[in-house]
Amino acid sequence: AQSVAQPEDQVNVAEGNPLTVKCTYSVSGNPYLFWYVQYPNRGLQFLLKYITGDNLVKGSYGFEAEFNKSQTSFHLKKPSALVSDSALYFCAVRGISGGYNKLIFGAGTRLAVHP
Amino acid sequence: DTEVTQTPKHLVMGMTNKKSLKCEQHMGHRAMYWYKQKAKKPPELMFVYSYEKLSINESVPSRFSPECPNSSLLNLHLHALQPEDSALYLCASVSRTKNTEAFFGQGTRLTVV
Repeated sequence: AQSVAQPEDQVNVAEGNPLTVKCTYSVSGNPYLFWYVQYPNRGLQFLLKYITGDNLVKGSYGFEAEFNKSQTSFHLKKPSALVSDSALYFCAVRGISGGYNKLIFGAGTRLAVHP
Repeated sequence: DTEVTQTPKHLVMGMTNKKSLKCEQHMGHRAMYWYKQKAKKPPELMFVYSYEKLSINESVPSRFSPECPNSSLLNLHLHALQPEDSALYLCASVSRTKNTEAFFGQGTRLTVV
């Protein structure tokens, strides 16, 4: 069965410091991986995805993620955090259920960036 | 146009009311989804429509009734809800022919009183 794990409920970072939000996955076959961000009372906004190709994926708002097949990880990173990056981050993998695609989400990680 | 539009943004309804949530997209996506999200939790899949046909029902109670009148529109009809149904309801769409991401609407914040 496909699954996604985000081991940290919350990540605290000082503004200007690099940030990492961790994600590991379990799928059969090639993984299609996604990161979404959610601000309070808003929908999910797409940040970036890994389908195939380069292991380092660049996305919106300066975020990037590194796909590591041997460690089955897809960690989200940013070189310099902003207070406005504070939000809830979800890692997701595209899975198959009943022959149809569905997104399987991790539990989410709350990122708090302090001034 | 890469938007998924959901209306209303907020809805308060009594347990005996009937209401509907609406979702619209004009990206030509033929797969549309309803998710339910409780506070600080990941979205939970409720229904999947593919080419206007219901493909997945994740054992959702019958007080939630989805409808897909055409390829751009997705409704969720609500009747006799319970207070525990209060949540953020998210609609999403995705292209079935490309390895693209799902696009989410802003959600409807539902409160059942």
